Amino acid sequence: DAGITQSPRYKITETGRQVTLMCHQTWSHSYMFWYRQDLGHGLRLIYYSAAADITDKGEVSDGYVVSRSKTENFPLTLESATRSQTSVYFCASSGRDSGGAIQYFGAGTRLSVL
Amino acid sequence: GNSVTQMEGPVTLSEEAFLTINCTYTATGYPSLFWYVQYPGEGLQLLLKATKADDKGSNKGFEATYRKETTSFHLEKGSVQVSDSAVYFCALRDNSGGSNYKLTFGKGTLLTVNP
Repeated sequence: DAGITQSPRYKITETGRQVTLMCHQTWSHSYMFWYRQDLGHGLRLIYYSAAADITDKGEVSDGYVVSRSKTENFPLTLESATRSQTSVYFCASSGRDSGGAIQYFGAGTRLSVL
Repeated sequence: GNSVTQMEGPVTLSEEAFLTINCTYTATGYPSLFWYVQYPGEGLQLLLKATKADDKGSNKGFEATYRKETTSFHLEKGSVQVSDSAVYFCALRDNSGGSNYKLTFGKGTLLTVNP
């Protein structure tokens, strides 16, 4: 299917476990982003990427790791999950034609860390 | 640094009421400005944008004008519908150079429209 897809949609895990959230886009967009959405904080940028093998930290990157070996995939890993990482996670992509300004979002992954 | 401040919600209106959601920003140079909307259970999607001062973005009956003198980009709609119930995010993109492909988002405003 064309577009941007996130998996899983829902995930429950325990503190200390490693969790990987997947993001895949079919547009060959250069830019990709990971956000978390929490009540009272809105949308906060975790990591972003300008191209394959180029990634940068956002404002809340501690405890998260990303990789981007292929343009279309941008997985986010929680190395050792904590309760404070319970959140809804959104992946987004954007093409060079808009300079990253027009972002297309996935449907989100709701993560609960018990 | 860059920042976006939007009115705190929630905002509750009756159908056909007039809507204003205030948004002000702080940025170096001349940013591009955006409104994104998030319908229940979905990701965000672009609603409208403006790239320079005095530009008016419009879509689906919503409008916002880029006001450089007041550093504002308020969202308006003359007659809201129940289907407009969503969370609205104001955002900016810094055009001053460097890693300027990021967006800075406001915290979002929840709008509920009752029949």
